[in-house]
Amino acid sequence: ETGVTQTPRHLVMGMTNKKSLKCEQHLGHNAMYWYKQSAKKPLELMFVYNFKEQTENNSVPSRFSPECPNSSHLFLHLHTLQPEDSALYLCASSQRPGGPYEQFFGPGTRLTVL
Amino acid sequence: KQEVTQIPAALSVPEGENLVLNCSFTDSAIYNLQWFRQDPGKGLTSLLLIQSSQREQTSGRLNASLDKSSGRSTLYIAASQPGDSATYLCALTGGNEKLTFGTGTRLTIIP
Repeated sequence: ETGVTQTPRHLVMGMTNKKSLKCEQHLGHNAMYWYKQSAKKPLELMFVYNFKEQTENNSVPSRFSPECPNSSHLFLHLHTLQPEDSALYLCASSQRPGGPYEQFFGPGTRLTVL
Repeated sequence: KQEVTQIPAALSVPEGENLVLNCSFTDSAIYNLQWFRQDPGKGLTSLLLIQSSQREQTSGRLNASLDKSSGRSTLYIAASQPGDSATYLCALTGGNEKLTFGTGTRLTIIP
């Protein structure tokens, strides 16, 4: 596959469940991002990783736990979520974080918390 | 704090017409500005990227302009087609090196 891929594409979970979202980029980039897109709101940056190191945590609740084992893979571990966490979660990558570098997005995971 | 505004929130246009989508921002200290397309329930597709030093970019029927002094960008779509129906988002990388998004314009092309 090419570009940025995300699995699963859809996820329904209860508030007591533990699940993980996966993102993989095949672009040789060094920076990866998690964004949250809720209805009627602009995309919100959650986390930024550069060369596997977290460089940004945008005041995200601890029930969201990111993991970046290498520059190509990014996970978002979910536990004890709330219904208001239901949203589209988008992963992106770029050659470097910020600056003039274009970000490329995956198709997203549609998360529903019951 | 950078604020990005897209007006109108929704737009309907007959097929074949040319149209302009607007994006305004409050802080002109930016690295670049991107226009994205998002189909319902899907991820973002990058359409055009304009670097801070550029005034416009073109790709096929799309033309994006950037005027930092007035804090505005426009996306021009020529000869619109039903397949152009989607939500169009502008986003810019500012001095904090983060991508800030607008809320988007939902475009419907009427056959």
